[in-house]
Order: sequence, then structure tokens, then C-alpha cells
Amino acid sequence: DSGVTQTPKHLITATGQRVTLRCSPRSGDLSVYWYQQSLDQGLQFLIQYYNGEERAKGNILERFSAQQFPDLHSELNLSSLELGDSALYFCASSVGDRTFNEQFFGPGTRLTVL
Amino acid sequence: TQLLEQSPQFLSIQEGENLTVYCNSSSVFSSLQWYRQEPGEGPVLLVTVVTGGEVKKLKRLTFQFGDARKDSSLHITAAQPGDTGLYLCAVTTGNQFYFGTGTSLTVIP
Repeated sequence: DSGVTQTPKHLITATGQRVTLRCSPRSGDLSVYWYQQSLDQGLQFLIQYYNGEERAKGNILERFSAQQFPDLHSELNLSSLELGDSALYFCASSVGDRTFNEQFFGPGTRLTVL
Repeated sequence: TQLLEQSPQFLSIQEGENLTVYCNSSSVFSSLQWYRQEPGEGPVLLVTVVTGGEVKKLKRLTFQFGDARKDSSLHITAAQPGDTGLYLCAVTTGNQFYFGTGTSLTVIP
């Protein structure tokens, strides 16, 4: 158990819909990272937040957005969903704001878009 | 084009055998990390290498960072079924974090 929690574990929805994925970091960690893992693209970095502020942005689509709240939990919002958005979405956390720091990954949310 | 290419993509071996997996790039990195991901779980950090030519050992796992800091290898001695998983290398460049294409290892009892 990494100490990072993600909900829900599974999510099935239809094209065009909007979903919200939730992540609670390890106690004391200020950074939260979001990743997408699919068979064809592998594990891709989406975005990083540090203490409520966006710190780095990777291959995140405009239809996707994220935020980190004052209690440090984070949400990833996916809208206008397409079949290709079906993937595993991981959240990770670390103590510092540098992406090099040791990241602890949650168990992931499996999103299926039908 | 992937920043980090890993080989082989798939590897299936018998328990007790030795194996080596590779992570290659045309770019130079200040450091490189190796993760293992088991089915249904998130990746777990195994090691970070920071110096060209550096060798780190973690029980039966030996990690090496290339002299030019463009590549790395992971050698497993006497593989066990518990070593089964997806092995990923990863680097930070600028403020971006990249994972390699991964090597899926299956160790057959």
C-alpha cells in the first residue's frame, strides 16, 4: 500500500460524458501527479500540482483539467469523452515539487468509455 | 518517436534463469529511474541512478547507468515468479516526466 488512494477503482461511461477522478496523496506529500496508461501510448504524464498550484503540464488534452484543493486532494476532470480516452489513470504523490523526487503511485482508476 | 525505448518488449523465462532488459535513448539525462508495475497496481520505484557508469544492486537486481548517461540496463539473477511484472525506466527532462515503453516480464515456476 503506497498510501495514495484513488476513487473510483472502475468507471464505465458513454462517449460525450464527463467524469471526475479523485486522488488523495500520502500524508505530508504536497505534489500530486496524474498519468494516463494505455496499451498503445504507454504511461504518459498529464499534469502536476504542488501545494495547490499547477507546476508542470505534459500531454494533457484540452478536454481534461485538474485541480488540487486546500486539503491537497486532487481531481482530474475528463469531459466530452471519446472511445480513445479508455485507459488506466494513475495519481502519484511526492513530498517536493521536483518531478525527480520519489513518486508514490495509487492503484489507479480504470476508465472505460463505451 | 519514443524518448525512451525499452527492449525486449516481452520476455518469458523459467524460474532460476538470468535476464537483462535495456532502456535506450539518443538523449543525455542527469538521472534515470527504474520502476516495476505489477498487474492491477501502480508503478513502484526500484532505483534511481545519477552518475554515468554507476552500478546499483538491489538484492538480485543490478542496475547500470551508461557511461554517456543515454542508456541503462537492469539485470536480474536467478529470476523468481515474484519478479513478474512490467519494468519501466523513466527520466525527468525540464519539468516533464517520461516513462519508457516497458518490458513485460513473466517468470514461469
